[in-house]
Amino acid sequence: ILNVEQSPQSLHVQEGDSTNFTCSFPSSNFYALHWYRWETAKSPEALFVMTLNGDEKKKGRISATLNTKEGYSYLYIKGSQPEDSATYLCALAGSTLGRLYFGRGTQLTVWP
Amino acid sequence: KAGVTQTPRYLIKTRGQQVTLSCSPISGHRSVSWYQQTPGQGLQFLFEYFSETQRNKGNFPGRFSGRQFSNSRSEMNVSTLELGDSALYLCASSLTQQADTQYFGPGTRLTVL
Repeated sequence: ILNVEQSPQSLHVQEGDSTNFTCSFPSSNFYALHWYRWETAKSPEALFVMTLNGDEKKKGRISATLNTKEGYSYLYIKGSQPEDSATYLCALAGSTLGRLYFGRGTQLTVWP
Repeated sequence: KAGVTQTPRYLIKTRGQQVTLSCSPISGHRSVSWYQQTPGQGLQFLFEYFSETQRNKGNFPGRFSGRQFSNSRSEMNVSTLELGDSALYLCASSLTQQADTQYFGPGTRLTVL
Protein backbone atom coordinates (compact mmCIF):
# COMPACT_ATOMS: atom_id res chain seq x y z
CA ILE A 1 0.00 0.00 0.00
CA LEU A 2 1.33 3.43 -0.93
CA ASN A 3 0.50 6.09 1.63
CA VAL A 4 -0.16 9.46 -0.01
CA GLU A 5 -0.50 12.60 2.11
CA GLN A 6 -1.72 15.95 0.86
CA SER A 7 -1.48 19.31 2.56
CA PRO A 8 -3.10 21.56 3.38
CA GLN A 9 -6.51 19.95 3.66
CA SER A 10 -8.19 23.18 2.57
CA LEU A 11 -7.11 26.57 1.34
CA HIS A 12 -8.95 29.86 0.85
CA VAL A 13 -7.34 32.52 -1.33
CA GLN A 14 -8.33 35.74 -3.03
CA GLU A 15 -8.64 36.03 -6.79
CA GLY A 16 -5.24 36.85 -8.24
CA ASP A 17 -3.24 35.16 -5.47
CA SER A 18 -0.80 32.44 -6.38
CA THR A 19 -0.96 29.27 -4.37
CA ASN A 20 0.65 25.89 -4.02
CA PHE A 21 -0.01 22.63 -2.29
CA THR A 22 1.92 19.50 -1.52
CA CYS A 23 1.65 15.79 -2.14
CA SER A 24 4.07 13.65 -0.16
CA PHE A 25 4.80 9.95 -0.25
CA PRO A 26 7.30 7.72 1.52
CA SER A 27 8.70 5.73 -1.35
CA SER A 28 10.08 6.18 -4.83
CA ASN A 29 8.77 2.75 -5.75
CA PHE A 30 6.02 3.85 -8.11
CA TYR A 31 5.49 4.24 -11.81
CA ALA A 32 3.77 7.61 -12.01
CA LEU A 33 2.25 10.42 -10.01
CA HIS A 34 -1.07 11.86 -11.14
CA TRP A 35 -2.74 15.17 -10.33
CA TYR A 36 -6.50 15.53 -10.76
CA ARG A 37 -8.89 18.43 -10.35
CA TRP A 38 -12.33 17.56 -9.03
CA GLU A 39 -15.10 20.13 -9.18
CA THR A 40 -18.31 19.53 -7.29
CA ALA A 41 -20.83 17.39 -9.20
CA LYS A 42 -18.34 16.71 -12.00
CA SER A 43 -15.90 13.93 -12.87
CA PRO A 44 -12.33 14.16 -11.61
CA GLU A 45 -10.33 15.71 -14.44
CA ALA A 46 -6.76 14.62 -15.16
CA LEU A 47 -4.25 17.48 -14.97
CA PHE A 48 -0.82 15.85 -15.15
CA VAL A 49 0.97 12.51 -15.19
CA MET A 50 4.56 12.69 -13.94
CA THR A 51 7.04 9.87 -14.24
CA LEU A 52 10.57 11.22 -13.80
CA ASN A 53 12.44 12.79 -10.94
CA GLY A 54 12.73 16.48 -11.66
CA ASP A 55 9.79 16.24 -14.05
CA GLU A 56 7.90 19.48 -14.43
CA LYS A 57 4.58 19.90 -16.17
CA LYS A 58 2.66 23.04 -17.09
CA LYS A 59 -0.86 23.68 -18.33
CA GLY A 60 -1.80 27.33 -18.56
CA ARG A 61 -1.53 28.85 -15.08
CA ILE A 62 -1.08 25.47 -13.38
CA SER A 63 2.23 23.69 -13.05
CA ALA A 64 3.59 20.76 -11.07
CA THR A 65 6.98 19.46 -10.02
CA LEU A 66 8.09 16.06 -8.80
CA ASN A 67 10.95 15.14 -6.50
CA THR A 68 11.10 11.36 -6.12
CA LYS A 69 14.27 11.38 -3.96
CA GLU A 70 12.64 13.44 -1.24
CA GLY A 71 9.14 12.10 -1.84
CA TYR A 72 7.01 15.10 -2.77
CA SER A 73 5.25 16.85 -5.59
CA TYR A 74 4.07 20.46 -5.64
CA LEU A 75 1.14 21.85 -7.57
CA TYR A 76 1.25 25.59 -8.28
CA ILE A 77 -1.54 27.84 -9.47
CA LYS A 78 -0.51 31.28 -10.62
CA GLY A 79 -3.05 34.10 -10.37
CA SER A 80 -5.91 31.99 -8.98
CA GLN A 81 -9.36 32.52 -10.46
CA PRO A 82 -12.75 31.57 -8.96
CA GLU A 83 -13.07 28.84 -11.59
CA ASP A 84 -9.98 27.18 -10.06
CA SER A 85 -12.08 26.36 -6.99
CA ALA A 86 -12.05 22.57 -6.73
CA THR A 87 -10.50 19.69 -4.84
CA TYR A 88 -7.05 18.79 -6.13
CA LEU A 89 -6.14 15.13 -5.81
CA CYS A 90 -2.77 13.48 -5.98
CA ALA A 91 -2.47 9.76 -6.76
CA LEU A 92 0.35 7.26 -7.18
CA ALA A 93 0.42 4.41 -9.66
CA GLY A 94 2.32 1.55 -8.05
CA SER A 95 2.97 -2.00 -9.11
CA THR A 96 -0.68 -3.05 -8.78
CA LEU A 97 -2.13 -2.79 -12.25
CA GLY A 98 -5.07 -0.44 -12.62
CA ARG A 99 -4.88 0.84 -9.07
CA LEU A 100 -4.21 4.42 -8.05
CA TYR A 101 -3.46 5.32 -4.43
CA PHE A 102 -5.15 8.63 -3.70
CA GLY A 103 -4.50 11.27 -1.12
CA ARG A 104 -7.49 12.93 0.53
CA GLY A 105 -7.09 16.05 -1.55
CA THR A 106 -6.68 19.78 -1.03
CA GLN A 107 -9.92 21.75 -1.28
CA LEU A 108 -9.20 25.14 -2.85
CA THR A 109 -11.67 28.03 -2.67
CA VAL A 110 -10.87 31.20 -4.62
CA TRP A 111 -12.89 34.25 -3.56
CA PRO A 112 -13.63 36.97 -6.12
CA LYS B 1 -14.57 11.10 -28.18
CA ALA B 2 -17.25 10.34 -25.62
CA GLY B 3 -16.13 10.23 -22.00
CA VAL B 4 -16.74 7.61 -19.36
CA THR B 5 -20.40 7.20 -18.54
CA GLN B 6 -21.98 5.72 -15.46
CA THR B 7 -25.57 4.72 -14.81
CA PRO B 8 -27.56 5.36 -12.83
CA ARG B 9 -26.33 8.65 -11.39
CA TYR B 10 -28.36 8.33 -8.21
CA LEU B 11 -29.77 5.33 -6.42
CA ILE B 12 -31.65 4.80 -3.17
CA LYS B 13 -31.85 1.32 -1.70
CA THR B 14 -32.70 -0.21 1.64
CA ARG B 15 -30.54 -2.44 3.82
CA GLY B 16 -30.37 -6.00 2.64
CA GLN B 17 -31.09 -5.23 -1.00
CA GLN B 18 -28.58 -5.60 -3.78
CA VAL B 19 -27.55 -3.09 -6.43
CA THR B 20 -25.83 -3.13 -9.82
CA LEU B 21 -23.95 -0.14 -11.18
CA SER B 22 -22.81 0.22 -14.76
CA CYS B 23 -19.79 1.86 -16.37
CA SER B 24 -19.07 2.41 -20.07
CA PRO B 25 -15.41 3.26 -20.71
CA ILE B 26 -13.91 5.49 -23.35
CA SER B 27 -13.84 3.73 -26.70
CA GLY B 28 -10.62 1.74 -27.05
CA HIS B 29 -9.91 1.60 -23.33
CA ARG B 30 -9.71 -1.95 -22.02
CA SER B 31 -9.04 -1.32 -18.35
CA VAL B 32 -11.82 -0.30 -15.98
CA SER B 33 -11.19 0.47 -12.31
CA TRP B 34 -13.77 1.09 -9.60
CA TYR B 35 -13.39 3.34 -6.55
CA GLN B 36 -15.52 4.18 -3.55
CA GLN B 37 -15.58 7.56 -1.85
CA THR B 38 -17.17 8.05 1.55
CA PRO B 39 -17.19 11.33 3.53
CA GLY B 40 -13.77 12.11 4.94
CA GLN B 41 -12.07 9.34 3.00
CA GLY B 42 -9.98 9.45 -0.11
CA LEU B 43 -10.91 7.37 -3.09
CA GLN B 44 -10.64 3.70 -2.11
CA PHE B 45 -9.84 1.13 -4.78
CA LEU B 46 -12.40 -1.65 -5.23
CA PHE B 47 -11.17 -3.65 -8.23
CA GLU B 48 -9.87 -3.44 -11.76
CA TYR B 49 -10.83 -5.36 -14.87
CA PHE B 50 -8.95 -5.82 -18.08
CA SER B 51 -10.16 -7.87 -21.04
CA GLU B 52 -12.97 -9.38 -18.96
CA THR B 53 -10.60 -10.52 -16.19
CA GLN B 54 -10.31 -9.11 -12.72
CA ARG B 55 -6.63 -8.33 -12.30
CA ASN B 56 -6.69 -6.73 -8.88
CA LYS B 57 -9.00 -6.27 -5.95
CA GLY B 58 -8.92 -3.88 -3.02
CA ASN B 59 -9.69 -4.61 0.60
CA PHE B 60 -13.47 -4.87 0.43
CA PRO B 61 -15.75 -7.72 1.55
CA GLY B 62 -16.99 -10.35 -0.87
CA ARG B 63 -20.35 -8.56 -1.09
CA PHE B 64 -18.65 -6.31 -3.60
CA SER B 65 -18.16 -7.94 -6.98
CA GLY B 66 -17.87 -6.93 -10.57
CA ARG B 67 -17.49 -8.09 -14.10
CA GLN B 68 -16.45 -6.82 -17.48
CA PHE B 69 -18.00 -7.62 -20.82
CA SER B 70 -16.34 -8.17 -24.18
CA ASN B 71 -17.06 -4.56 -25.20
CA SER B 72 -15.16 -3.41 -22.04
CA ARG B 73 -18.30 -2.18 -20.30
CA SER B 74 -18.19 -3.05 -16.63
CA GLU B 75 -20.68 -3.59 -13.85
CA MET B 76 -20.23 -3.73 -10.13
CA ASN B 77 -22.64 -5.41 -7.78
CA VAL B 78 -23.12 -4.98 -4.07
CA SER B 79 -25.21 -7.59 -2.33
CA THR B 80 -26.85 -7.42 1.10
CA LEU B 81 -26.46 -3.66 1.32
CA GLU B 82 -25.41 -2.08 4.59
CA LEU B 83 -25.79 1.54 5.71
CA GLY B 84 -22.02 1.97 5.42
CA ASP B 85 -22.17 1.22 1.70
CA SER B 86 -23.68 4.67 1.14
CA ALA B 87 -21.06 6.38 -0.99
CA LEU B 88 -20.11 7.78 -4.34
CA TYR B 89 -18.90 5.03 -6.66
CA LEU B 90 -16.60 6.11 -9.45
CA CYS B 91 -15.30 4.14 -12.34
CA ALA B 92 -12.32 5.04 -14.46
CA SER B 93 -11.02 3.74 -17.76
CA SER B 94 -7.51 3.68 -19.15
CA LEU B 95 -5.43 2.06 -21.83
CA THR B 96 -3.18 -0.63 -20.42
CA GLN B 97 -0.04 0.64 -18.76
CA GLN B 98 0.45 1.55 -15.11
CA ALA B 99 1.47 5.10 -15.92
CA ASP B 100 -1.56 5.70 -18.14
CA THR B 101 -4.05 8.32 -17.08
CA GLN B 102 -7.30 7.03 -15.65
CA TYR B 103 -10.33 8.91 -16.98
CA PHE B 104 -13.20 9.09 -14.55
CA GLY B 105 -16.93 9.00 -14.96
CA PRO B 106 -19.26 11.27 -12.96
CA GLY B 107 -20.05 8.57 -10.42
CA THR B 108 -23.12 6.89 -8.99
CA ARG B 109 -24.35 8.24 -5.67
CA LEU B 110 -25.73 5.30 -3.67
CA THR B 111 -27.79 5.93 -0.57
CA VAL B 112 -28.71 2.99 1.65
CA LEU B 113 -31.60 3.58 4.06
